[in-house]
Amino acid sequence: QTVVTQEPSFSVSPGGTVTLTCGLSSDSVSTNYYPSWYRQTPGQAPRTLIFSTNTRSSGVPDRFSGSILGNKAALTITGAQADDESDYYCVLYMGSGIYVFGTGTKVTVL
Amino acid sequence: EAQLVESGGGLVQPGGSLRLSCAASGFTFSGYWMTWVRQAPGKGLEWVANIQPGGSEKNYVDSVKGRFTISRDNAKNSLYLQMNSLRAEDTAVYYCARDRRGYDYYYMDVWGKGTTVTVSS
Repeated sequence: QTVVTQEPSFSVSPGGTVTLTCGLSSDSVSTNYYPSWYRQTPGQAPRTLIFSTNTRSSGVPDRFSGSILGNKAALTITGAQADDESDYYCVLYMGSGIYVFGTGTKVTVL
Repeated sequence: EAQLVESGGGLVQPGGSLRLSCAASGFTFSGYWMTWVRQAPGKGLEWVANIQPGGSEKNYVDSVKGRFTISRDNAKNSLYLQMNSLRAEDTAVYYCARDRRGYDYYYMDVWGKGTTVTVSS
């Protein structure tokens, strides 16, 4: 079973920078997995942030950026704001129509 | 503006069945893959199933294979998820999402607000 691993939680100061990562149990994450990122606040639907590793979805501010760091996908929030407090999920496309969500990271801004 | 609205959730006994619907508007529904994603209480998101624009190709997560069936009616701009042999672990909020795929992208870009399924006796 494929497991996509994210840090359980991160804390960042207002105005600070945080980098979340997304790893695979059995392989290095590359652009071939078309990593995408989503945020979700409690009780709300997910919102798309990044697709194809580093392309921002429509309306997403440029303080959100995606990349590959080493053998993982990464989401960096630069200049964190209070309303960035959310759960963040990566998704990897495994081929043959299959997606796998990461375990999610809870980001606290304080 | 593209919108998705789920319905059909509710309380069902273990072993029972339920059919979820997702009504699409604001885009050409017949031109897109569509996906179901779920979230158990206090847990993370889980991809469940998706379906090709014409309905001929369908994919499922292993845990629902043989129990759930995804389908669509392009004339009604609607997506469905037929859930049979339901288990307590199927309890979740179920979201439908538009599934974008092309030469160099695979992701979900439009999300509904979800419908809640509770499997309990």
